[in-house]
Amino acid sequence: QLQLQESGPGLVKPSETLSLTCTVSGGSISSSSYYWGWIRQPPGKGLEWIGSIYYSGSTYYNPSLKSRVTKSVDTSKNQFSLKLSSVTAADTAVYYCARELRTHNFDYWGQGTLVTVSS
Amino acid sequence: NFMLTQPHSVSESPGKTVTISCTRSSGSIASNYVQWYQQRPGSSPTTVIYEDNQRPSGVPDRFSGSIDNSSNSASLTISGLKTEDEADYYCQSYDYRNRVFGGGTQLTVL
Repeated sequence: QLQLQESGPGLVKPSETLSLTCTVSGGSISSSSYYWGWIRQPPGKGLEWIGSIYYSGSTYYNPSLKSRVTKSVDTSKNQFSLKLSSVTAADTAVYYCARELRTHNFDYWGQGTLVTVSS
Repeated sequence: NFMLTQPHSVSESPGKTVTISCTRSSGSIASNYVQWYQQRPGSSPTTVIYEDNQRPSGVPDRFSGSIDNSSNSASLTISGLKTEDEADYYCQSYDYRNRVFGGGTQLTVL
């Protein structure tokens, strides 16, 4: 059974960089059949796609966040990561990592991790 | 970039049928698959419909999806409503480089 687990600080100061890692178990991140995505959900609001990365390193970002987002993949650790720079209170959200099929269905999700931006 | 617009909330009684719409602002709804996710409070989203009208294993056949080219929209229909269906539902689609979620619909079964 595939499992994804987000990890990273739960509190980030304004203007700093938010860094999260997603560890994948029960399957290989190197498969050519999948992308690996990040989605966030501000408290009480809807889902927002942040970006997706292919095992080869090709990246796809939400245009509204593109200038602040960096994604990477570490196949040796079966992990992929997200960095979001210059954060503000508007970036406070539950951040999910998910597996994305080639048909762009997010079929497996992590449990999510709440990141609060506050001084 | 395109948007997916959903009604903010819908409500219906147990045993009835409800339909949630998802309208694409630009580009053809039929050009790219639409997925539907269910999210219960405190939980991660799960797929209830993928590729417009396909149900993952374990999702009851009370859930169905469709596409309407004339209104450029997708729909999620839940028949025989149960109280356990009460949740938020999100549609999602994509284009060449972007993935887009609808704003979500809160379903109340009362």
